[in-house]
Amino acid sequence: QVQLQESGPGLVKPSQTLSLTCTVSGGSISSGGYYWSWIRQHPGKGLEWIGYIYYSGSTYYNPSLKSRVTISVDTSKNQFSLKLSSVTAADTAVYYCAREGSVLSGSYSGFDLWGRGTLVTVSS
Amino acid sequence: QSALTQPASVSGSPGQSITISCTGTSSDVGGYNYVSWYQQHPGKAPKLMIYEVSNRPSGVPDRFSGSKSGNTASLTISGLQAEDEADYYCSSYTSSSPVVFGGGTKLTVL
Repeated sequence: QVQLQESGPGLVKPSQTLSLTCTVSGGSISSGGYYWSWIRQHPGKGLEWIGYIYYSGSTYYNPSLKSRVTISVDTSKNQFSLKLSSVTAADTAVYYCAREGSVLSGSYSGFDLWGRGTLVTVSS
Repeated sequence: QSALTQPASVSGSPGQSITISCTGTSSDVGGYNYVSWYQQHPGKAPKLMIYEVSNRPSGVPDRFSGSKSGNTASLTISGLQAEDEADYYCSSYTSSSPVVFGGGTKLTVL
């Protein structure tokens, strides 16, 4: 059974870089067919897609965040990571990692697997 | 990239049916059959309920169904149960960015 688990600092100072890692267990990122995603949810608000990556390293980002976001993959560790630079209080949110069977990978199945989420607070 | 439009809230009594709409444009909902729906209980991660407009993943009750007409997708829950009370989000593939979510709808079971 594939599971996702986010990890990283829960507190980041303004102007610094937020860094999170998602560890995939029970299955291989390299098996293909899925895009590995980061999604966030501001307190009391809706879901916001940040971006995703294929095991090959191909990435797609939300245009509104693209200038500050980098998503990378480490297939040897079965992990993918998020870096969000120049953070402000507006980046305070619960960050989820998720798996999508994307149309881009040839078979759409939506975000069928999610991590539990991790709250990141931006504050000095 | 604008969020898909959902009603802020809907409500219904146990046993009734409710429908949540998700309105986009021809560049997203109307242009592709890549619409999905998610249920989120407070403090929990979202759960996939419908994908590709009307397909249910294994384990999702058949009380949940999806459809689409033009630029609007819909999620219908029949035989409403107390456990269905949650927030619901739609999502679509878009031509400008692979993914866009709706603003979310709070379902209250009266």
